[in-house]
Amino acid sequence: DTEVTQTPKHLVMGMTNKKSLKCEQHMGHRAMYWYKQKAKKPPELMFVYSYEKLSINESVPSRFSPECPNSSLLNLHLHALQPEDSALYLCASSQGFGGLHEQYFGPGTRLTVT
Amino acid sequence: AQSVTQLDSQVPVFEEAPVELRCNYSSSVSVYLFWYVQYPNQGLQLLLKYLSGSTLVKGINGFEAEFNKSQTSFHLRKPSVHISDTAEYFCAVSDQGGGFKTIFGAGTRLFVKA
Repeated sequence: DTEVTQTPKHLVMGMTNKKSLKCEQHMGHRAMYWYKQKAKKPPELMFVYSYEKLSINESVPSRFSPECPNSSLLNLHLHALQPEDSALYLCASSQGFGGLHEQYFGPGTRLTVT
Repeated sequence: AQSVTQLDSQVPVFEEAPVELRCNYSSSVSVYLFWYVQYPNQGLQLLLKYLSGSTLVKGINGFEAEFNKSQTSFHLRKPSVHISDTAEYFCAVSDQGGGFKTIFGAGTRLFVKA
């Protein structure tokens, strides 16, 4: 199984809502990532978890809160988002935490904040 | 710190013609290099990677890339493209010095015309 799954595929939320994005992989990968991708732009790294511990936080606003309950699951909790947070949110995983490991991406959650 | 420059934002090409997507990088240390493809409404998928060894790297879907250290380039090529190759292509770099971030280029939109 070389798949990273993400749910939901689409999400529309108001600025006062609380929602969560979910990501799952069963490849035994020990690093997991959240990226934000705006239209016609490359992915921007938000968070990296390595061995279920937060290793990188790219100065992301606190309205985004990551969580790694176990080695297969990664969540992104959303609260009080702004319209400019509308984007495609990509989850990825890699075998290890280091530059030589390619990343496996999920299909993304398209988020619209109204 | 590394950086990646993809010299063409869009490349239109006719079906069955050859194509080259250009990528140059900048880094003070040795690097690993990757090409990822993103089809519409999907996540990124690895096409090929250069870690070490032979400078000519073959990937999936008939793509190949050549690492040129003196020119700090990693151009992607395909001898004959298909309509189905229409997608966004991202060149990416990470350093061999223990850095954990993968830096993505801005992307090149390959548009294959019939």
